[in-house]
Amino acid sequence: KAGVTQTPRYLIKTRGQQVTLSCSPISGHRSVSWYQQTPGQGLQFLFEYFSETQRNKGNFPGRFSGRQFSNSRSEMNVSTLELGDSALYLCASSRGGQVTGELFFGEGSRLTVL
Amino acid sequence: GQNIDQPTEMTATEGAIVQINCTYQTSGFNGLFWYQQHAGEAPTFLSYNVLDGLEEKGRFSSFLSRSKGYSYLLLKELQMKDSASYLCAVRDRENDYKLSFGAGTTVTVRA
Repeated sequence: KAGVTQTPRYLIKTRGQQVTLSCSPISGHRSVSWYQQTPGQGLQFLFEYFSETQRNKGNFPGRFSGRQFSNSRSEMNVSTLELGDSALYLCASSRGGQVTGELFFGEGSRLTVL
Repeated sequence: GQNIDQPTEMTATEGAIVQINCTYQTSGFNGLFWYQQHAGEAPTFLSYNVLDGLEEKGRFSSFLSRSKGYSYLLLKELQMKDSASYLCAVRDRENDYKLSFGAGTTVTVRA
């Protein structure tokens, strides 16, 4: 079955702009998590959605937001981009339930902010 | 929150064994995961430990000691394709069962 699909794979923005990233989970998976990955920092948790509801949120400013649709596809948005937002944004899906199980990652969206 | 530490880099020779250590501090430990991430690719699941002891899966094994807050991933009979970053992640029931990741260990396998 198809894996987790993220679009776009690469994008370049300038400071102050906003960006929307998309994630399509594995069919049947109801939980979608978003992570930011930067060199030396590892994966930093952004948020998790389950059945269209944000279930968990990491320690990121309000400029980072997301949502999940009824078909489990998810989007994340970053407004008023800063240079420090340059990173690989990874989406991961899992079957769902209260406890986060094995995560299946997409290949990520690499954002460069100039 | 969690404090997850693992070495930044390790280098080993093809055919050898490498052990990647991971230490963590968490108030409600509920499982530890290892992921492999090749450059430019998505992380992929390698192993899961929730009870003390060794879990073996082919050339890869993972060990957990909950009392010591310690895990290791053992890679045997190293192959060039094992060159990748290895991520340790801890699930914490006091943190809404979220997974928190270490910064990753980059393993380079040399011929």
